[in-house]
Amino acid sequence: DAKTTQPPSMDCAEGRAANLPCNHSTISGNEYVYWYRQIHSQGPQYIIHGLKNNETNEMASLIITEDRKSSTLILPHATLRDTAVYYCIVRVALLKYNTDKLIFGTGTRLQVFP
Amino acid sequence: NAGVTQTPKFQVLKTGQSMTLQCAQDMNHNSMYWYRQDPGMGLRLIYYSASEGTTDKGEVPNGYNVSRLNKREFSLRLESAAPSQTSVYFCASSGNWGGDQPQHFGDGTRLSIL
Repeated sequence: DAKTTQPPSMDCAEGRAANLPCNHSTISGNEYVYWYRQIHSQGPQYIIHGLKNNETNEMASLIITEDRKSSTLILPHATLRDTAVYYCIVRVALLKYNTDKLIFGTGTRLQVFP
Repeated sequence: NAGVTQTPKFQVLKTGQSMTLQCAQDMNHNSMYWYRQDPGMGLRLIYYSASEGTTDKGEVPNGYNVSRLNKREFSLRLESAAPSQTSVYFCASSGNWGGDQPQHFGDGTRLSIL
């Protein structure tokens, strides 16, 4: 079962900031929060990830609450090309093989309008 | 920068036919993964391989087999295709676990079983 909860859809005006929320109340202390997006059923595209601290890269910012039970992905200046399904994912460790897996939910469909 | 390459991109099979989906990565990653995505759903993990020579089941392994041919290649086989296996299949890879490295996805194989 997915370990995250996201709203099914959101709208955002072009040029404005898009703030996508995610709840992950059962996250463990060593599990990372990852964000991916999927455009037109292409392969998921990595956006950003974090553990405890807020993170920023050229695509987005990630704000994680102090208790780590929720986070927000921020696209600072949304464009039409940012229209996609955004997945908030908890990365689960598979200690037996020193690897991990991503557990996807159904994501948030972000529609950016002119 | 090829990244993760999947072949074929599209395939139509009849019920009972067999098929192998191919995946190759050129990033020298240890871990590789196979996911499936049904309409309106997030991705679900079928099988994964933490390193060359090891494979293990994910959430939905029934009806599939995998082979980690070498470090670069990870194939998914349907021995006797069923209509319920109509889906989009994604391959992914990631570097050493513990280094919080993201999974990188291919563009998918769209498989229809009649």
